[in-house]
Parts: sequence; structure tokens; C-alpha cells
Amino acid sequence: EVQLVESGGGLVQPGRSLRLSCAGSGFSFNAYSTAWVRQAPGKGLEWVGFIRGQAYGGTTEYAASVKGRFTISRDDSRSIAYLQMNSLTVEDTAVYYCSRCAGYNMRYYFDSWGQGTLVTVSS
Amino acid sequence: EIVLTQSPGTLSLSPGERATLSCRASQSLSGSYLAWYQQKPGQAPRLLIYGASSRATGIPDRFSGSGSGTDFTLTISRLEPEDFAVYFCQQYDGSNPLTFGGGTKVEI
Repeated sequence: EVQLVESGGGLVQPGRSLRLSCAGSGFSFNAYSTAWVRQAPGKGLEWVGFIRGQAYGGTTEYAASVKGRFTISRDDSRSIAYLQMNSLTVEDTAVYYCSRCAGYNMRYYFDSWGQGTLVTVSS
Repeated sequence: EIVLTQSPGTLSLSPGERATLSCRASQSLSGSYLAWYQQKPGQAPRLLIYGASSRATGIPDRFSGSGSGTDFTLTISRLEPEDFAVYFCQQYDGSNPLTFGGGTKVEI
């Protein structure tokens, strides 16, 4: 069974940093791209970015709203993906989901999701 | 950026009725690169449909997707109690960013 489990969320002050983790199991983690999608309280879904799988060199793409502040990385030896978030603002407050990507290159949809981890940015 | 507009915002129906949800793209999708997700309160989204019309693994056949170009539809043929949720469409036409529609809430 495919499982994704996020961790690392919490309360953080504006301007500070936080790193989220996403542990995958039940599939060949290194073969898949992994995405982060967020959902502000009571709002819709917003794609944050993804990191491609090993076959595509582990390269990354980001939404404009987080580019330059957020960095996605992966440790395939541990089947974990990370979302490093710097210079956080109150607008980054959301539940952050990691998801397994299906498709190829930029043509990804999300066929499995973690349960999400809440990030609250507040002073 | 491809903007997806979902309508209606809320659909009030009864169990056993048919639900028709719309997702309109601001520009034509070059292929059938559209997915639908279901989200229940406090839960993660779940993939229902990809490629505009292909059901994901384990999805009941009362869920069907159709459409091409700019207009796409998710149909639930006969609503079951567990189908009352919020539904999102997502385009993956190949350009950054990947985008979602604003959602349609199906309520009793």
C-alpha cells in the first residue's frame, strides 16, 4: 500500500524557517516525482512545487509564490522528500500535503496524498 | 497561467440524484490533461479521475469524467451519502504552474 507521511509542521514566527518531511513507503520512492501542495484554512488547493524522480535527474519546479524562498530536496536512500521553507509570511499558513506524482515532466497529477501537516505563521 | 473555473460553487442535492460539476479552463488544454479530486472535511484530497475520463484505482463507476479543450465535466450518476464532499479539478497541461479550480461543494 502506498503511504506518504508528512511531519515537521507547527507554529513559526514570520521571517523564520521551517523544514517539512515526507516519508514514502509501499512503492519505489526514487522512481517517482514528489510534489507539495498546500491549502490555506478554508481555501482551495495550491501547488507549491515538485522534485522529479531519479530518472529525470531530481530537478525541481516551483510556483512563483514560493520560488526563491522554498526548496524541495530528496533523500532516496531514506525514501524522504523535504520542503525547506525560508522567509515565511502569514500567507504561507496552510496545511501542507505531499503527494506522489503520476505522469511525466511538467504533466503531473497526484495519485496518492499524505495526511498533511499544518504550518501556522504568526507572531 | 491556466485558470480553472469550477461551477457551481455549491450543489445541493439528495442521495440518489445525479450531480454534474463543471470545470472550465481559461485556455484550451492541448491534451486531456485534467484530473478531478474529492476532499472530505479534515481529509486529504483523493484522486478520482485523470486524463479527463479515466477512473483512478478503486473509484466506483458512478463517477465519470468527460470533456476536452476548455470544458470538462465530472458526473456522479447516483449520489451516495459518502459522496457529499468538495471536488477540485486540476490541469497538468505542461506549463508552470500546475493549477487547481476553486472547488465545488456537493451538499445534502
